[in-house]
Amino acid sequence: GQSLEQPSEVTAVEGAIVQINCTYQTSGFYGLSWYQQHDGGAPTFLSYNALDGLEETGRFSSFLSRSDSYGYLLLQELQMKDSASYFCAVRDSNYQLIWGAGTKLIIKP
Amino acid sequence: DAGVTQSPTHLIKTRGQQVTLRCSPKSGHDTVSWYQQALGQGPQFIFQYYEEEERQRGNFPDRFSGHQFPNYSSELNVNALLLGDSALYLCASSTSYEQYFGPGTRLTVT
Repeated sequence: GQSLEQPSEVTAVEGAIVQINCTYQTSGFYGLSWYQQHDGGAPTFLSYNALDGLEETGRFSSFLSRSDSYGYLLLQELQMKDSASYFCAVRDSNYQLIWGAGTKLIIKP
Repeated sequence: DAGVTQSPTHLIKTRGQQVTLRCSPKSGHDTVSWYQQALGQGPQFIFQYYEEEERQRGNFPDRFSGHQFPNYSSELNVNALLLGDSALYLCASSTSYEQYFGPGTRLTVT
């Protein structure tokens, strides 16, 4: 079957750096995406990696290693508003987006 | 420019009933995907519509059906509702790899 594994919860301090890992096992691979979802809100797109390496967008960066079926989202200079759930999602050979169960990020002052 | 809109926001139905949820995509987007998100879980792909045809389908029973109109708006229909159908139903529109989500419809089945 297809699966994406990510930690259920991560805790960090305001101003710090946190990394959320994602490992995947899917039939085919057409890219790894990251989405942020605040409680009661809709998912919002953060980043997309189709090739190996690091993509940087402001305080957020995302990394992909296709040979390891692994990626991570790096959040720097954490702010309280970053408290949310973060989902990794892989587009498989059917071009369907398969989602992980999400990582709840808790930020303490 | 309006983003993705969905209606209604909340809905309460009884087991066995039927429900229709509606979605209008972001301007310029021709592809609409529907997801079911249970509490504490990631979204589960239901199906995707493009050019008024169901292009892909996830692992959902035939009780879940949909439609896309010429203006790219879409409907999700669920028949014979079960308690387990209670969830947040999300609509997303896209033109490439980035999906834009609507606020969702919270469906409660009692």
